[in-house]
Amino acid sequence: RKEVEQDPGPFNVPEGATVAFNCTYSNSASQSFFWYRQDCRKEPKLLMSVYSSGNEDGRFTAQLNRASQYISLLIRDSKLSDSATYLCVVMASGGYNKLIFGAGTRLAVHP
Amino acid sequence: DAGVIQSPRHEVTEMGQEVTLRCKPISGHDYLFWYRQTMMRGLELLIYFNNNVPIDDSGMPEDRFSAKMPNASFSTLKIQPSEPRDSAVYFCASMTEYNEQFFGPGTRLTVL
Repeated sequence: RKEVEQDPGPFNVPEGATVAFNCTYSNSASQSFFWYRQDCRKEPKLLMSVYSSGNEDGRFTAQLNRASQYISLLIRDSKLSDSATYLCVVMASGGYNKLIFGAGTRLAVHP
Repeated sequence: DAGVIQSPRHEVTEMGQEVTLRCKPISGHDYLFWYRQTMMRGLELLIYFNNNVPIDDSGMPEDRFSAKMPNASFSTLKIQPSEPRDSAVYFCASMTEYNEQFFGPGTRLTVL
């Protein structure tokens, strides 16, 4: 089993739609969680950290469910510019400061 | 701040040649990471440094790969000799105390 698993998609949605991505992680001791966004032929960029209480940044909401070991990202009112690959990221446990990246979920927003 | 700087942005070389990739992290970030990304394998961590010291190099594919960080503002990743299967995008990233990583624009390496 992979340490971080995501549905690769693609998710094809119209502008204005609400779309949700889920991600599961295998190590229950993981402490830090993030969502990154990667545009085609660009570097990954931090979208948001995921806190235990859940957090919101504009149209984006991230949730963490430790009991079920999954993380979610909700995008409301999708824009064309949201089209990208969304990477779920978990920090390795055991004192290591390295991030484990999921393979990514591709989102395509169409007019 | 200019962000993480990598050079060159593109490199095309022939099999057997030495390749050196360079990275300047964001000032004040104590951690530096080297990643490789391909369509087949996704984003792979090669090695990371803390305060210029290599902490985990378990992702380095083989002895042909080496990385150094002589000071807090500079790191290199060297491949010698290069092979076609090394073709990939190589990213450098530096990290804040809050575990947020910031990536450079990457070096697109093609080995013919």
